[in-house]
Amino acid sequence: EAGVAQSPRYKIIEKRQSVAFWCNPISGHATLYWYQQILGQGPKLLIQFQNNGVVDDSQLPKDRFSAERLKGVDSTLKIQPAKLEDSAVYLCASSREPDTQYFGPGTRLTVL
Amino acid sequence: QKEVEQNSGPLSVPEGAIASLNCTYSDRGSQSFFWYRQYSGKSPELIMFIYSNGDKEDGRFTAQLNKASQYVSLLIRDSQPSDSATYLCAVNKGGTGGFKTIFGAGTRLFVKA
Repeated sequence: EAGVAQSPRYKIIEKRQSVAFWCNPISGHATLYWYQQILGQGPKLLIQFQNNGVVDDSQLPKDRFSAERLKGVDSTLKIQPAKLEDSAVYLCASSREPDTQYFGPGTRLTVL
Repeated sequence: QKEVEQNSGPLSVPEGAIASLNCTYSDRGSQSFFWYRQYSGKSPELIMFIYSNGDKEDGRFTAQLNKASQYVSLLIRDSQPSDSATYLCAVNKGGTGGFKTIFGAGTRLFVKA
């Protein structure tokens, strides 16, 4: 069974630029999560999808972050415009049941 | 008060010893509890989950849950240098539309050979 796929693995941008991340969950997993992990901290949930509906986006900075999950499979997370404090690892995870999450390799974003 | 609290460490133990990692949580309605291991530069991987009070053992790992005291712990027996990593405690609690996972900041563990 293939794991959670994410791309790109690394991204360096200037502040105020835009960036997008892509995630393909494990086949059959209805729930998809995007987390932000700043160095030295635990993952912080940005948004959680159940199929293609949003379950929780209470910690998503909606003035600059957006996410979608079309057709209930792949998902994209966008930041526009980026700020220095957005430098972090962006993790995508998926789960079949509402518990065990499987994480992708993450995208390391550096904002200069 | 943080929703999930862990001692950031580092916790240093000699090879072969028992490592004890602790976690407390604030929401009494929390329903399920997880321990993830995260190696430097890698993504978290699930070690164990526990739903009920008491102990749950899996190989060298034992998770302990005490809902009355709102703490979860992870014991690693016969610690190995390969166990050196950050251990993240995670808690699922109910929310509007479903559940929500809250992670602690993690405890760094060093196992000395």
